[in-house]
Amino acid sequence: AQRVTQPEKLLSVFKGAPVELKCNYSYSGSPELFWYVQYSRQRLQLLLRHISRESIKGFTADLNKGETSFHLKKPFAQEEDSAMYYCALSRPGSGSRLTFGEGTQLTVNP
Amino acid sequence: DAGVTQSPTHLIKTRGQHVTLRCSPISGHKSVSWYQQVLGQGPQFIFQYYEKEERGRGNFPDRFSARQFPNYSSELNVNALLLGDSALYLCASSLAMTGGTDTQYFGPGTRLTVL
Repeated sequence: AQRVTQPEKLLSVFKGAPVELKCNYSYSGSPELFWYVQYSRQRLQLLLRHISRESIKGFTADLNKGETSFHLKKPFAQEEDSAMYYCALSRPGSGSRLTFGEGTQLTVNP
Repeated sequence: DAGVTQSPTHLIKTRGQHVTLRCSPISGHKSVSWYQQVLGQGPQFIFQYYEKEERGRGNFPDRFSARQFPNYSSELNVNALLLGDSALYLCASSLAMTGGTDTQYFGPGTRLTVL
């Protein structure tokens, strides 16, 4: 069975500092990886997915199959980035079924 | 479009009771998925329905059931409620069920408390 691990429940950085939210997964095949974000009092929403290889709000994530990781990075954190971030995995052929990690609460201090 | 809507927003039940949660997907979306999010954890997949048929089921007991209606709205039913069923129940809709290329849009959730 697949599993997603986010080792940090809490992460605190200062504005302008680089930020990296870690995500490791276990799955023997070629998964599809996502980052979802939940801002305060808002609903869960997609931030980015690995197949798009895009940068959203300055965030990027690279799928490293050798290390089975999909870390989320941003070179200069902003206060509005403070939110709960979830890494999620989808197995090919499983439809849109997602396996989520436990989440990392990011706080960007002024 | 108001996005995915869920009702009720929150409710309180006692052990042994039954509950029905409702979800209306974004117009045009044919796939609905249900997730349970216990406090402090990530969402956990319960069911996926596409074109009114169950297309996936997570590791949940038979007390949990769901259905999708011709208008693609969906209901999640939980029988014989246990204290451990207390959670935020999320509904997500998508156009189809192609996984990586199909964005899931989440509703605000229904907060269920079992006393």
